[in-house]
Parts: sequence; structure tokens; C-alpha cells
Amino acid sequence: DPKIIQKPKYLVAVTGSEKILICEQYLGHNAMYWYRQSAKKPLEFMFSYSYQKLMDNQTASSRFQPQSSKKNHLDLQITALKPDDSATYFCASSQETGRGERLFFGHGTKLSVL
Amino acid sequence: QQKVQQSPESLTVSEGAMASLNCTFSDGTSNNFRWYRQHSAKGLEVLVSIFSDGEKEEGRFTAHLNRANLHVSLHIREPQPSDSAVYLCAGNSAGNKLTFGIGTRVLVRP
Repeated sequence: DPKIIQKPKYLVAVTGSEKILICEQYLGHNAMYWYRQSAKKPLEFMFSYSYQKLMDNQTASSRFQPQSSKKNHLDLQITALKPDDSATYFCASSQETGRGERLFFGHGTKLSVL
Repeated sequence: QQKVQQSPESLTVSEGAMASLNCTFSDGTSNNFRWYRQHSAKGLEVLVSIFSDGEKEEGRFTAHLNRANLHVSLHIREPQPSDSAVYLCAGNSAGNKLTFGIGTRVLVRP
């Protein structure tokens, strides 16, 4: 059984719309992350949260907003979608945010913006 | 921002032959290093984590780290067709942030 659940698995959106990507982890971890994998680019760090607080944000655009309603949830709201936002978005978690903590990844949400 | 170069871009090996992958980092920002495997439409599976210079073995997967050369490699012993996947190396820096390479696509032929 997957311990990090991402929903939906696939998502198609029109330019200018807004979508929320869901992530729940059942590993009892205190840190959660979002990564993005665009075509022909490396997997790229976006955000990290620890105990539901933002720790690091490497996303230049404010159109990307993480939302943590519960300790084991970290959703990603994306507004004013653009075709360049098309990518697979991976959620991850670790026990803490210390270096060396093992990261566990979800299966990803593949977003296509038309 | 740290860059990660992976080589080769793709690799085809016969079942049972050793597969070797390489990763070079642009600077010494990362404190430890990971190799992940990514099968199509699936999440990332960590294979080996290495923290010190030298070698670290996890089953059929062995990582070698040379910090002075900013180089990490992965050797897959006796690869099987089920090992066909994209292999990603990553450096881990402050805040448990991973910087990834673009990956090496490995195909293992029966």
C-alpha cells in the first residue's frame, strides 16, 4: 500500500484556471515537500514544510501556494495556470528536515495545461 | 545553484553484466548523496544513500563517493530486466533539500 497518496494521478487544466494537487502521508513524518519534474529537466525542489510551517521556498512564482490543513497533508494550489506549468508534481516526506533524513516520494500527479 | 551532471544519458546492458552510472556535482554544497530509481508512472525508490568517501553497498547496488572530485557513481551488479528504469542521483543539502540530475535511462536486455 502506498504510504504517500497523491490525488489525482492525472490532471488536465485549461490556461488561466486553478487546480489543487492533494498529498497525504501515512508515515507519521513531520516534514513534507513538493518537487516538480518538467519534460527534459531534472526533478526540482519547490517547497519544504516542517510541523506545518514553511521552511524553504524555491519557487519564484506566487501562483504556487502550499496548504497544510493537517500535519500529514500538504496540498499544492496552483492559480492562473500556464502551459509551462505542465509537469509531474511529486510530494515527498521525511521524519524531519535534517540533512541525511531519508525522503519518501509519492507516485506524482501529472498535470497538463492546455 | 548546484548543478548535477549525469552520464551516460542512456545505457543498455545485458542481463547479468555490470552497469555503471556516473554523477558529477558542480560544487561541494551537498553533504550526502542518494541514488533513486524511477519506473514509468511510479514514484521514486531510494536505492543507496552515501555519506562518506568510499563505498556503500545495498544489495546489488553499490555507490562510490569521491568528494574531492565531486563524483558519485552507482554500480548495478547482475542487473535484471526488472531493473530497467531511469536512475537519478541527488545531492542532499541543508533543510534536506535534494538537487537531482536529469537521470540515466537503463535498459536491461534478457
